Amino acid sequence: QQQVKQSPQSLIVQKGGIPIINCAYENTAFDYFPWYQQFPGKGPALLIAIRPDVSEKKEGRFTISFNKSAKQFSLHIMDSQPGDSATYFCAAETSGSRLTFGEGTQLTVNP
Amino acid sequence: KAGVTQTPRYLIKTRGQQVTLSCSPISGHRSVSWYQQTPGQGLQFLFEYFSETQRNKGNFPGRFSGRQFSNSRSEMNVSTLELGDSALYLCASSLGMGYNEQFFGPGTRLTVL
Repeated sequence: QQQVKQSPQSLIVQKGGIPIINCAYENTAFDYFPWYQQFPGKGPALLIAIRPDVSEKKEGRFTISFNKSAKQFSLHIMDSQPGDSATYFCAAETSGSRLTFGEGTQLTVNP
Repeated sequence: KAGVTQTPRYLIKTRGQQVTLSCSPISGHRSVSWYQQTPGQGLQFLFEYFSETQRNKGNFPGRFSGRQFSNSRSEMNVSTLELGDSALYLCASSLGMGYNEQFFGPGTRLTVL
């Protein structure tokens, strides 16, 4: 029940494309859903986060879509750039407690 | 404002040894969490400290322990190292209980030979 399932495991898009990464969860107590971006040799960096009382949040080229009834959320990257090539992790948390991470998606944006 | 710092960045140990890793949170942050990252298991929660008290613990054996000091700096210790302990150990800090945003450090890469 604590798991967060993430797909796809890897994703390759062309520059300007819109990669979409999906996550699903079971625990309805989760109340905070962040996305992290990780480059090789670096720690994960907080990208964008959403709470279940909203269905969408946009920050720059990054958008989270949230479907509470389906217990799913996704990350969309608009106008993707080669510099966006990284590993992306979704996560879920209950009330400032531990983060439960998805398995990660390795995104490659080709020039 | 400086980010989360972790020392050392790289560490090589042999089986049976013990190791201590250090984390300095962002100034003003009082909560520190530790995570283990491996290719096979992904990112897994180890424990969380707030006000020098362990508030939460993940599903790791007792060989993994930690503590937090009055200045919010934290250390984690792994005793009797096993080959499977080779991983990137990440520290994350947040303002405190009830504040969700966690900011990660660069990690300590531990290799056990």
